[in-house]
Amino acid sequence: GAVVSQHPSRVICKSGTSVKIECRSLDFQATTMFWYRQFPKQSLMLMATSNEGSKATYEQGVEKDKFLINHASLTLSTLTVTSAHPEDSSFYICSASTPNRNEKLFFGSGTQLSVL
Amino acid sequence: AQKITQTQPGMFVQEKEAVTLDCTYDTSDPSYGLFWYKQPSSGEMIFLIYQGSYDQQNATEGRYSLNFQKARKSANLVISASQLGDSAMYFCAMREPNTGTASKLTFGTGTRLQVTL
Repeated sequence: GAVVSQHPSRVICKSGTSVKIECRSLDFQATTMFWYRQFPKQSLMLMATSNEGSKATYEQGVEKDKFLINHASLTLSTLTVTSAHPEDSSFYICSASTPNRNEKLFFGSGTQLSVL
Repeated sequence: AQKITQTQPGMFVQEKEAVTLDCTYDTSDPSYGLFWYKQPSSGEMIFLIYQGSYDQQNATEGRYSLNFQKARKSANLVISASQLGDSAMYFCAMREPNTGTASKLTFGTGTRLQVTL
């Protein structure tokens, strides 16, 4: 079946640094990928929709300059948390849709970000 | 506006028994899709089952079945013959109306299932 790979799985960084998270679709082309954020014991909240070759669409309340999204190819989307602060510590998870839009979304394994 | 409601923050079930996880939804769009995902402690989201709003029959995938009651706007997940490995968070989600080749999901708050011996 379709597989989505996400790296790194865990990252610890100092406050003020930037962190890049990669999301790859391994055996299918994903024109659209989604980035979610999940706080402990809470649900997934959509941050943005990443569109190949165009600008990402951000959900209300998500800072575009803080969370930079690049979808340069049909198999790769990246999320960069710029100038990270402790409040950015969270679980970030990406998903990609198979070409058949009626089918399931596949998720990456997630990235646990801890900002010291 | 869409809304997904999971009213059970936690559930216990004995091994080999069946369990039903509740999910209700609210949408004014006639075309939608409903999903269930399992999230173990490792964090990954594992797809379990999908039900389209126009599907005539309830979806089934192995030990998972979806009790789809359209008039009541409910999409409960039934897990039969529970196993210890089923212990995890379970999320119900709705796909927004199709806007192209992909659509985003809105998730419920989840139900933590604990399978006991």
